[in-house]
Amino acid sequence: EVVMTQSPATLSVSPGESATLSCRASQSISGNLAWYQQIPGQAPRLVIYGASTRATGIPARFSGSGSGTEFTLTISNLQSEDFAIYYCHQYNNWPPGGTFGQGTKLEIK
Amino acid sequence: QVQLVQSGAEVKKPGASVKVSCKASGYTFTNYYMHWVREAPGQGLEWMGIINPSGGGTSHGKKFQGRVAMTSDTVTSTVYMELSNLRSEDTAVYYCARAVPMPGAKGTTLDPWGQGTLVTVSS
Repeated sequence: EVVMTQSPATLSVSPGESATLSCRASQSISGNLAWYQQIPGQAPRLVIYGASTRATGIPARFSGSGSGTEFTLTISNLQSEDFAIYYCHQYNNWPPGGTFGQGTKLEIK
Repeated sequence: QVQLVQSGAEVKKPGASVKVSCKASGYTFTNYYMHWVREAPGQGLEWMGIINPSGGGTSHGKKFQGRVAMTSDTVTSTVYMELSNLRSEDTAVYYCARAVPMPGAKGTTLDPWGQGTLVTVSS
């Protein structure tokens, strides 16, 4: 099973600044990586798929990059609604649901 | 719009079973598989299983072997997840999420998600 490792566990950033979240896969997953945003008390929401494609309705300040084993989610000009937990998710390999990272909590500094 | 609406919160005793429902709307129900994912308190997301609403075929994580059953009702566009022999560690929010196939990948993305169902296991 592919293990996904996210860093840092918590990231404190001021509104208006940029945040960079990292995700590493234990083996190559090509570009088959997604990012989900979860606001506490709400269901996760798909933000990025295919490592770099924004999902429907996601603002352009969200961008994803990477391939193979190293991936990054960058959020520029942070807005109040962006502070949440972000999970990376590989869907390249078994199991059918893929595997999730442990999450990065993006909090207001 | 695509929407998944889950059943309400449940409180169960250890050893009991729980059945969570997920009603889909806004798309052709039989065209997409459905995942079940759970989130225990303070923990991350854990994939439980997947069902093909059309044929009823399922696959689940090894951790849930023998304890999870997923079914579907094409008349009401509803999928169900039943977890048996509950223990305190099963206390979690359970989500259904539509499986969206991705080119070149064995797996799928999950979009959208239901609102979640809190299952509390306590004596």
